[in-house]
Amino acid sequence: EVQLVESGGGLVQPGRSLRLSCAASGFTFDDYAMHWVRQAPGKGLEWVSGISWNSGSIGYADSVKGRFTISRDNAKNSLYLQMNSLRAEDTALYYCAKDGTVTTVSWADFDYWGQGTLVTVSS
Amino acid sequence: QSALTQPASVSGSPGQSITISCTGTSSDVGSYNLVSWYQQHPGKAPKLMIYEVSKRPSGVSNRFSGSKSGNTASLTISGLQAEDEADYYCCSYAGSSHAVFGGGTQLTVL
Repeated sequence: EVQLVESGGGLVQPGRSLRLSCAASGFTFDDYAMHWVRQAPGKGLEWVSGISWNSGSIGYADSVKGRFTISRDNAKNSLYLQMNSLRAEDTALYYCAKDGTVTTVSWADFDYWGQGTLVTVSS
Repeated sequence: QSALTQPASVSGSPGQSITISCTGTSSDVGSYNLVSWYQQHPGKAPKLMIYEVSKRPSGVSNRFSGSKSGNTASLTISGLQAEDEADYYCCSYAGSSHAVFGGGTQLTVL
């Protein structure tokens, strides 16, 4: 059974940093690209960032480019999101999602999702 | 990277069919057959319903179907059931290692 478990969320002041983690199990982690998708309270989904299976292809939404860094550790079956210079508008539930296409990146096909970790940016 | 355009809400009676549109541009929906649809019930994580425009993941009812024409993709739900009431989001590859979601559509089953 595929499981994605996010952690690392919390309350943080504007301008500070936070690192999210996603622990994956139930599939061959290093065969698949992974993504972060967020959802602000009461709002829609926003793709944040994605990373290919070998970290060779990485993408960011314009809203986070230059502030967020995605990475993965295939030996630990883990995905990360380093979030710097956080703003109030980054407040959201952050989901880790598995790409549905093996050894390549579909960039739009997210077949498994975690339950999310809540990030609140406020003074 | 503008969000794809979806109607804010649609509604239908049990047994009816409804269609949700998702309008993008020639840089995203119009250029790639990489459009997916997600169902989200309140307080739950999204669920993949359609990928690559019209493919259904294993376990998804064949009442759900997808299509695309030009810059607009569509999700059709036939034989509407009460449990279909949820928010629906489209998503498309937008080139240059980017994805973009639609704003979401709230489906009400009357």
